[in-house]
Formats: sequence, structure tokens, C-alpha cells
Amino acid sequence: AQSVTQLGSHVSVSEGALVLLRCNYSSSVPPYLFWYVQYPNQGLQLLLKYTTGATLVKGINGFEAEFKKSETSFHLTKPSAHMSDAAEYFCASYSTSSGTYKYIFGTGTRLKVLA
Amino acid sequence: KAGVTQTPRYLIKTRGQQVTLSCSPISGHRSVSWYQQTPGQGLQFLFEYFSETQRNKGNFPGRFSGRQFSNSRSEMNVSTLELGDSALYLCASRKTTSGRAPIHNEQFFGPGTRLTVL
Repeated sequence: AQSVTQLGSHVSVSEGALVLLRCNYSSSVPPYLFWYVQYPNQGLQLLLKYTTGATLVKGINGFEAEFKKSETSFHLTKPSAHMSDAAEYFCASYSTSSGTYKYIFGTGTRLKVLA
Repeated sequence: KAGVTQTPRYLIKTRGQQVTLSCSPISGHRSVSWYQQTPGQGLQFLFEYFSETQRNKGNFPGRFSGRQFSNSRSEMNVSTLELGDSALYLCASRKTTSGRAPIHNEQFFGPGTRLTVL
């Protein structure tokens, strides 16, 4: 069965420091992968997505993620954190199980940016 | 282009009551999915509708039901509310065809309806 695991429910970084949010997936077939961000009292906004092709994906707000099939990972990074990056981040996969495609979301990582 | 809209944004109900939430997808989007988000369980898939038919269903009791209208708008109903139903209910829409091919389509989320059950 497909699954998405986000390591660390809370991550704190200093402003200007590297942001690294981890995501590992489990899928019997190569999935499509997504990172979403959620600000308080709002819905989820797509940051970036991997479908096929280039394994390094660039998204909005300076975020990027690299699909590593050998490690079944899709970690999200940003070189320099900004206060406005404080939010909850969700990794998700879109893959098939028994012919039915489904979205599976990770449990989320809350990013705190320290001044 | 207008985004996904959900009404109402906030709702307070008491145990035993029922509630109906509404979702209007982006114009041209024919698939609507519903999710329940709680601090303890995270984001859990409820069901997906396409062309007025339920395509996928998550592991929720029968008290949770939905429907989709011919204009792709969707409603979700929860009957006999329990305290544990307090959550943010998110709706997401996407373009999709018949769904038989492994087509990827990006989901666009609405702002959610915050349901509080007292």
C-alpha cells in the first residue's frame, strides 16, 4: 500500500538558514509527488510537483525538491528561510493501488522560523 | 479565474445535529474531493466525486455522505454529529477526464470550513 512519511512534525530554523523538510514515500509504482503549504486558517497551496522528467523540481517562493527514486525520497529545501515561510507543509503522493489512483498525504511538518 | 470556494467558513453545531457543507470548484473542474483535517489525524480523504458519481471513498462511517450536482458543485453532509467530528473540512477540485487512464491533475484547495461540535 502506498504511504507518505514526513520525518519531524515540527522543524525550527533561524531566519536565513537552510530549510530541509523530509518526505519519504512508499509506492509500488512511481508516484507523482507534491509539496503543499498551509498557512493558518487557509487551505493548501501547491508549492511544487514532480511528475516525470527532471528530478530536481523548482517551486514557488524559492523552494525546490529532488526526487530520488533510489532513496524513495522527495525532500523539500530552501536555501534561506524567511519569516513568511512559517507554515505547515504537507508532502503528498498520487499513485495507483489496484488500478485506482489516490492522493495520500503525509501528516505534515510545521515550520517555525526564528528571528 | 476564481478559486475553489467553500461555504460556510465557520460553523458551530451541537452533538446529534446534522450539517451540510458546500464546495464550488474552479470553473471547468469536474472532480471534487473532500478531506477532513484534525490535529491528531492530519489530512484524511473522505471521498471524491466526478460527474455526479462517487469515484473514491475513504474510511469514514456512513454518517459522512456527499453528492455532486450537474454544475460540479458538491455538498458534504454529516449526520448525528459527534464531538470528534470537529475539524477543518477541505474541498479540492481538479480537472480530470473519465479517470480510466493514470492521469495526473493538480488539486486546488479551498479555504476550508471550520466545524466545531459542542
